[in-house]
Amino acid sequence: GAVVSQHPSWVICKSGTSVKIECRSLDFQATTMFWYRQFPKQSLMLMATSNEGSKATYEQGVEKDKFLINHASLTLSTLTVTSAHPEDSSFYICSATYIRGDTEAFFGQGTRLTVV
Amino acid sequence: RKEVEQDPGPFNVPEGATVAFNCTYSNSASQSFFWYRQDCRKEPKLLMSVYSSGNEDGRFTAQLNRASQYISLLIRDSKLSDSATYLCVVRRAGSARQLTFGSGTQLTVLP
Repeated sequence: GAVVSQHPSWVICKSGTSVKIECRSLDFQATTMFWYRQFPKQSLMLMATSNEGSKATYEQGVEKDKFLINHASLTLSTLTVTSAHPEDSSFYICSATYIRGDTEAFFGQGTRLTVV
Repeated sequence: RKEVEQDPGPFNVPEGATVAFNCTYSNSASQSFFWYRQDCRKEPKLLMSVYSSGNEDGRFTAQLNRASQYISLLIRDSKLSDSATYLCVVRRAGSARQLTFGSGTQLTVLP
């Protein structure tokens, strides 16, 4: 099946710094990628929909200035957590779908962010 | 009301047991339905899509009732390796095709 690669798989950073997470579709083109956040023992919550070549669409309650999303090509989307705080510590997962068709979503391996 | 609601769980069952999970969704315009499996600290992986006619994949059977906005997953002859969190997932109508996840039901199959 299709492969979505997410990097890094885990990161520890100091409070106040920024962290960039990359999501790549390795063998297909994805006009749309999705970013999710998952806190312990909770489900995945959609943060934003990333559209190639245009601004991301954020879900209600998600700060667009704090979670910067860039989707510069059909195979790469990045999420930057700016001025990270301990409450931003979470599991961040991206997913992508093929350009056409109503197919399954393919997920990256996830990034476990710990802000200390 | 949550867009997708699942059995709270957790379910602890012996090997060989049959277990059923239920899920309801609130948006009648929802387009597609899935069950995903998520192991601890891993990404979700598609278990199966769910169709109105019902579908089966080995020991797994999924059912969809659009009128009741209800989805189910039946696992027969449970294996230890079935232990995971099962996520009921609904795709929104529209071009972006966002997925909405239920909170998940944790299953532990005991030896």
